Amino acid sequence: DTAVSQTPKYLVTQMGNDKSIKCEQNLGHDTMYWYKQDSKKFLKIMFSYNNKELIINETVPNRFSPKSPDKAHLNLHINSLELGDSAVYFCASSQDAGELFFGEGSRLTVL
Amino acid sequence: GQNIDQPTEMTATEGAIVQINCTYQTSGFNGLFWYQQHAGEAPTFLSYNVLDGLEEKGRFSSFLSRSKGYSYLLLKELQMKDSASYLCAVKGYSTLTFGKGTMLLVSP
Repeated sequence: DTAVSQTPKYLVTQMGNDKSIKCEQNLGHDTMYWYKQDSKKFLKIMFSYNNKELIINETVPNRFSPKSPDKAHLNLHINSLELGDSAVYFCASSQDAGELFFGEGSRLTVL
Repeated sequence: GQNIDQPTEMTATEGAIVQINCTYQTSGFNGLFWYQQHAGEAPTFLSYNVLDGLEEKGRFSSFLSRSKGYSYLLLKELQMKDSASYLCAVKGYSTLTFGKGTMLLVSP
């Protein structure tokens, strides 16, 4: 069983479109995250949720909106996609602020 | 905020030992992690240090000096499969901040 799974794995879309990435973890962890890894491989935190409550919101445009329906799921919706949004988005989870377990990543390409 | 510095690239030979350094400046410290990331894959956990000293796990060891804001990852008996990016990450008050990673290339 995959511990942290995210879909889709690849996403190619046009500028201006809206898209969503879904993430689920079956580890029973209390905290989930979204990280963005750009073309230079820099991994940067975007959001963090603890038991469905937003606890970290880094400097991310309002076009990005996370949603956590329950503590096992954290989805990311992106409005009005821009070229600079092209990146790999990683979902991750942890328990008691311990090590992160990452999903396989979702590679978003905006044309 | 957090400032994490590690070399961009390193090269080494199969069977050798390599040390990847990481220096950090942080407003809060609750531990330092090392992750390995192969091209096109997710980062995977290698080690965690919260107290000063050396943690050994098989061919990999990690060292921490909190007073110096310094850590290193030591890889012994290098194998070709160790070619990857190695990410140093510092846990502050509430989040894990990653360095830009060190790309290690192991050659035969």
